[in-house]
Amino acid sequence: DAGVTQSPTHLIKTRGQHVTLRCSPISGHKSVSWYQQVLGQGPQFIFQYYEKEERGRGNFPDRFSARQFPNYSSELNVNALLLGDSALYLCASSSHPPGTGEETQYFGPGTRLLVL
Amino acid sequence: AQSVTQPDIHITVSEGASLELRCNYSYGATPYLFWYVQSPGQGLQLLLKYFSGDTLVQGIKGFEAEFKRSQSSFNLRKPSVHWSDAAEYFCAVGGAGKSTFGDGTTLTVKP
Repeated sequence: DAGVTQSPTHLIKTRGQHVTLRCSPISGHKSVSWYQQVLGQGPQFIFQYYEKEERGRGNFPDRFSARQFPNYSSELNVNALLLGDSALYLCASSSHPPGTGEETQYFGPGTRLLVL
Repeated sequence: AQSVTQPDIHITVSEGASLELRCNYSYGATPYLFWYVQSPGQGLQLLLKYFSGDTLVQGIKGFEAEFKRSQSSFNLRKPSVHWSDAAEYFCAVGGAGKSTFGDGTTLTVKP
């Protein structure tokens, strides 16, 4: 079975540009979460979506937005890129609805974004 | 607010030696706790998790972790380290797809 997939694997953008990152969850998983991992730090929670609804948002500016599609895949959008947005962006999926207990997440390989 | 501290930024052990990676957490209720491993340029692989029940949990690759509520700790252990265990290890708290991660411990394995 395919795991969580993310595209693209690498991306180079310049300051002020916009970027869209994509994630396909494990088949049957309806929950998708996004994390940002800056070099040398642990992942930081950005968003969680379940059944196309936003179920959680981390402490990130409004330049960050996301959505989930009917097939449960998801996009993360970042506007007006800053140098500090350079990071590994991780997507994770789960088979359980938020708040139900056993909410193990399975992570994709990530998209590495470099902002110049 | 929930938080995780991994006090050791970098640990070096010899191959075949035992390993313990420390994790301390802050969480308002009974925590969901996780350990992940990340190889360079890769995503996160789940090693083990604790939700409730037996405080000693077994994971993949021969790892285990012990939940100690009184110490707010969830330390990861392995009795004999292999060279392939060299990687970065992250402890995380909280479920519902909104985990809070520590900043990781980098493990180097000496031959």
